[in-house]
Amino acid sequence: AQSVTQPDIHITVSEGASLELRCNYSYGATPYLFWYVQSPGQGLQLLLKYFSGDTLVQGIKGFEAEFKRSQSSFNLRKPSVHWSDAAEYFCAVGIYGNKLVFGAGTILRVKS
Amino acid sequence: EAQVTQNPRYLITVTGKKLTVTCSQNMNHEYMSWYRQDPGLGLRQIYYSMNVEVTDKGDVPEGYKVSRKEKRNFPLILESPSPNQTSLYFCASSFRNSGRANEQFFGPGTRLTVL
Repeated sequence: AQSVTQPDIHITVSEGASLELRCNYSYGATPYLFWYVQSPGQGLQLLLKYFSGDTLVQGIKGFEAEFKRSQSSFNLRKPSVHWSDAAEYFCAVGIYGNKLVFGAGTILRVKS
Repeated sequence: EAQVTQNPRYLITVTGKKLTVTCSQNMNHEYMSWYRQDPGLGLRQIYYSMNVEVTDKGDVPEGYKVSRKEKRNFPLILESPSPNQTSLYFCASSFRNSGRANEQFFGPGTRLTVL
């Protein structure tokens, strides 16, 4: 069955430090992959998506993610974190039937 | 402005009192979906709709109903709410893809508490 694993429930980084959020998926076919961010009290906003082509994708707010088929991973990165990046981040895989399967989320805290 | 709207944003109710959460989108999307978000579980799909008058169960449909009489609206109905339905609910919409999921646009969420 399809599934998405985000191994880190909470991550704390210092402002200005680099960030990597991990995501592993299980899906039998070539996946469509998404990262969403949820700021406190807000809905989900799409950061970036991967459908095909270049395995390094750029998103909004300075985020990027790399698709690695051999590792079934789609990790999210940012070179320098800002305090406003504190939020919950969700990785999702798009499967047949227009469905998104989400991971459990990673809560990012930023230390000043 | 392209958006998905939900009402109400916050709701406190009592067990057994029927309620409806409305969802509306102005992007002419065919596909609409309801999710619930619970700590440590991420978002789980309740019901979805591929188009008008076409709805189907998601992963956690028990205790919920939906209808899709118009393309823009997709209300979520709890006919007899119970405390285990206390959660944060999101409506989402997208263009229908012949294959896998497209980018979905999310509403702001409805925080429901059932006492």
